[in-house]
Amino acid sequence: DQQVKQNSPSLSVQEGRISILNCDYTNSMFDYFLWYKKYPAEGPTFLISISSIKDKNEDGRFTVFLNKSAKHLSLHIVPSQPGDSAVYFCAASGSNSGGSNYKLTFGKGTLLTVNP
Amino acid sequence: GAVVSQHPSWVICKSGTSVKIECRSLDFQATTMFWYRQFPKQSLMLMATSNEGSKATYEQGVEKDKFLINHASLTLSTLTVTSAHPEDSSFYICSARAPGAALHFGNGTRLTVT
Repeated sequence: DQQVKQNSPSLSVQEGRISILNCDYTNSMFDYFLWYKKYPAEGPTFLISISSIKDKNEDGRFTVFLNKSAKHLSLHIVPSQPGDSAVYFCAASGSNSGGSNYKLTFGKGTLLTVNP
Repeated sequence: GAVVSQHPSWVICKSGTSVKIECRSLDFQATTMFWYRQFPKQSLMLMATSNEGSKATYEQGVEKDKFLINHASLTLSTLTVTSAHPEDSSFYICSARAPGAALHFGNGTRLTVT
């Protein structure tokens, strides 16, 4: 049972436009969400996170929106750049208490291609 | 920023042999590290939580006798795939959490068992 779902395996966007990556979750105990970016043959790199007490978090070109009632979050990248082309993973955790047990559940990822 | 180093980045081994993968936190101490596995076009799946100085905690369905984890110091955890078989071929990634920060991942190890 996939608790974190990224229903779009791929997305293609023109350089300069907005990229919107979506993620849905089913576990209502999740209260901390993260986005990771992954290039081929490399490990995921942390991008941005959001706690369930917020509905938006922004960091430069990256903004994450959280809709708790819909159990949905999205990552907006604007403007998109060719270097943003990578696989983006949505991840969720049941605790952001700062404890050392920090288990994440990942989605399958969305391959973003930004065309010049 | 925090760096997690994983070695080797790729390894090919024969069926029946064992392979050890190292995960190091380079500029912080990690009492807990995590080992994930990723099959093609699948999500990262948590295999086990590696606890410094104590036994690892394995996720359901992961054989602890096959995937041996040792976390002997605050900066090193190792995953040994024992008696590897072709179905163990996968991408293995470790992660560690620096204090007050999100999880940082190693670059992963591509294991191919022939």
